[in-house]
Amino acid sequence: GEDVEQSLFLSVREGDSSVINCTYTDSSSTYLYWYKQEPGAGLQLLTYIFSNMDMKQDQRLTVLLNKKDKHLSLRIADTQTGDSAIYFCAEPNAGNMLTFGGGTRLMVKP
Amino acid sequence: DVKVTQSSRYLVKRTGEKVFLECVQDMDHENMFWYRQDPGLGLRLIYFSYDVKMKEKGDIPEGYSVSREKKERFSLILESASTNQTSMYLCASSTGQGPYEQYFGPGTRLTVT
Repeated sequence: GEDVEQSLFLSVREGDSSVINCTYTDSSSTYLYWYKQEPGAGLQLLTYIFSNMDMKQDQRLTVLLNKKDKHLSLRIADTQTGDSAIYFCAEPNAGNMLTFGGGTRLMVKP
Repeated sequence: DVKVTQSSRYLVKRTGEKVFLECVQDMDHENMFWYRQDPGLGLRLIYFSYDVKMKEKGDIPEGYSVSREKKERFSLILESASTNQTSMYLCASSTGQGPYEQYFGPGTRLTVT
């Protein structure tokens, strides 16, 4: 089955850029997603990218997709303390379900 | 904006009690999902439903059942709560068409004592 992998933890200083990485296994995925979960809350959809795109930018967020390597990344420019959260990447699988990575905890130090 | 609501943010129940977790979405989504989230285990799918009165088992359905009598409402039932069901429960919904993104409720943190 599909397996979406992420590193567990990332620590950056406020104002720096953060890059969160994800590898996935299903090369036929049409969309790939990034979610954010703040402490004690549900998951919030941040952005998604269609598989025929290499890059998508939305304000401080940049998503890069390397289909050859099945690698997805989320770059957050000018990281703020409010960006501290767990970030999940996800890909669709059969039945319109999503397979989630284990999540990357981003800690932003002032 | 899509809104998914869950009946409780925090719930404390005793072992052996029957527990109902309710989820309501207001966007006429066909698909609804129940996950549990535990440290180190990520999100695990318990059950999902792609239509009224339809349900499918996810990865960890044991000890749970679900009900979907109306399109907007998806209930998770713990027939006899056990301490190993202490967890964060997340409900989500999505349309049946691409890009299939799921919208999540705020979660219910259930403690079974």
